[in-house]
Formats: sequence, structure tokens, C-alpha cells
Amino acid sequence: AQSVTQLGSHVSVSEGALVLLRCNYSSSVPPYLFWYVQYPNQGLQLLLKYTTGATLVKGINGFEAEFKKSETSFHLTKPSAHMSDAAEYFCAVSDQTSRGSTLGRLYFGRGTQLTVWP
Amino acid sequence: NAGVTQTPKFQVLKTGQSMTLQCAQDMNHNSMYWYRQDPGMGLRLIYYSASEGTTDKGEVPNGYNVSRLNKREFSLRLESAAPSQTSVYFCASRLTGGSNQPQHFGDGTRLSIL
Repeated sequence: AQSVTQLGSHVSVSEGALVLLRCNYSSSVPPYLFWYVQYPNQGLQLLLKYTTGATLVKGINGFEAEFKKSETSFHLTKPSAHMSDAAEYFCAVSDQTSRGSTLGRLYFGRGTQLTVWP
Repeated sequence: NAGVTQTPKFQVLKTGQSMTLQCAQDMNHNSMYWYRQDPGMGLRLIYYSASEGTTDKGEVPNGYNVSRLNKREFSLRLESAAPSQTSVYFCASRLTGGSNQPQHFGDGTRLSIL
């Protein structure tokens, strides 16, 4: 069964500082991983998705994530935080059978609230 | 460029009342999903429909029913609302064809049950 753990429910950084949001996954098969962002009173918006064979995945708004199989991690980073990055971020893993088929069900982490200080 | 549309956006119910949350997508997606979001819990899958004509339970289906009306529409019904169902409900859709196809989300329905 697939699951996701996000370390740190709240992260605070200064504007211009590095953003690092942590995600560890558990999956018995090669995982399909996603990062979503949620702004207040809105739905979830896709930031980036993992593509098989890639180690560094680039997303929107300057975010990227590094896939490390040995550490079962898919941490999200951004070199320089901006005030507009303040939001809640969710890591998710898709269900998948050993044959590679899927029903597309997502298992979400509990989310990390990012605060950016001026 | 509507994407996934949910109605209503807000609703207050009394315990025991029934209600149907509506969801429609205009992206010709095959699969549709209902999640609930509670503080500190992330999103949890209630029901999903992998394709038109099929529905199945997710992680937290108790107290809910769904109907996949056609390819575009997927509704969620609370037959007898309980305070524990106070939550934000999200509908999502997805184009099948690969495990890395992302889900597209609506803006949510904020439901309070008194």
C-alpha cells in the first residue's frame, strides 16, 4: 500500500531564503509522486509530478523536487522564497499495481503550511 | 476554461438533513473523485469513479453515496448529515492512460453541519 509522510506541518522562511518541504513515501512498486499547492479558499493546483527515470523534476513558480529512491524521498525546494509562495503544500502518491496499472487514487500527506516573512 | 466546477460553494445543514454536492468537468476526463479535507488530515478519498458507469469506495465512504450521472458529472450525497461530516469537499477528475496523469481539482464545497 502506498502512503506519504510530510515532515513538519508548518515551515516559516524569510523572503529570499531557501524553501525546503519534506516528503517521504512508502510504496511497494515504483511510485508516481505529485506535489500540489493550495492557496486559501481554493482547490489544489498541480506544482509538479514525478516522471520515471528523472531525479530532478521542475515545476511551476520556480519549484523543483528531487527524487531519491534510496531515501524514499521527494522533497520540494525553491531557491528563493517569495511572499506569494505562502500556501499549503501537499505531497501525494498514486496507487499502482505491480503490473503498473492504476485507478488514479491519490494518497496525500497531511500538508505543510508555508509562511513567508518579509 | 471552467475545468472542474463544484456547487454549492458553501452550505450549512442541520443534523439529519440530506444534501447532494454536485461536480461537473468539461475536460472529457474518464475518472472522477471525491475527497474530504479536514485540518491536519490532508485529503482523504471518499469515493471514486474510474470510468463512466462505475463507482467504488475510497478510504472514508461511510455516510456517503455517489452517482456518476454521465461522463461529465459525479455527485456526492449525504443521506443523513452528521456533525462529523463538517468538512471541505473537493471533487477532482483525471484523464486515464498513465499512472502519472495528475488530478484536476475544483474549488471545493465548504459544508457545516450543526
